[in-house]
Amino acid sequence: DPKIIQKPKYLVAVTGSEKILICEQYLGHNAMYWYRQSAKKPLEFMFSYSYQKLMDNQTASSRFQPQSSKKNHLDLQITALKPDDSATYFCASSQPGPSNERLFFGHGTKLSVL
Amino acid sequence: QQKVQQSPESLIVPEGGMASLNCTSSDRNVDYFWWYRQHSGKSPKMLMSIFSNGEKEEGRFTVHLNKASLHTSLHIRDSQPSDSALYLCAALNTGNYKYVFGAGTRLKVIA
Repeated sequence: DPKIIQKPKYLVAVTGSEKILICEQYLGHNAMYWYRQSAKKPLEFMFSYSYQKLMDNQTASSRFQPQSSKKNHLDLQITALKPDDSATYFCASSQPGPSNERLFFGHGTKLSVL
Repeated sequence: QQKVQQSPESLIVPEGGMASLNCTSSDRNVDYFWWYRQHSGKSPKMLMSIFSNGEKEEGRFTVHLNKASLHTSLHIRDSQPSDSALYLCAALNTGNYKYVFGAGTRLKVIA
């Protein structure tokens, strides 16, 4: 029973198009994140949100825009898609605190840009 | 920029053998370390955490942490083919609350 739901699981897009990756977590966590992983690069931090506010952004391109409509939602909008954007995008969440501190990951959205 | 270095990049051990993986953070303000395991096509899952100096054992898995050198190691004894996976080390600086991952060690256990 997945507690972090990512939709869709697989996504194929054409160069130049726009896509939204969906993430909902049902763990009651206050912090949510996006990470990206590809064959060329290891697991790479993109964004962190806490209480729906952007905490950190390590993505150089403004083509990547996180959107948080609710505390347990953190979607990722990607515009002007490029083949280099092909990767698996993982949503994650955590509950900051001295005990049980850890990151939980969703199953990922595998994006292929043609 | 905060970095986490893992070694070796890949490791092959025989079934029943011992696998030893290393991880070092370059950020002096890192407070916590984790080891995650990622099987092919799956998401990373936490294997073990270590927050204070010393050693922690859970079944076949043992982690060590030396906070002075910001070095952690994971040891898997009696390795099984099902242990074959990518092992990721993660470090957290509670100042900026960013979890940073290393590039991973790809472990293969051969029967």
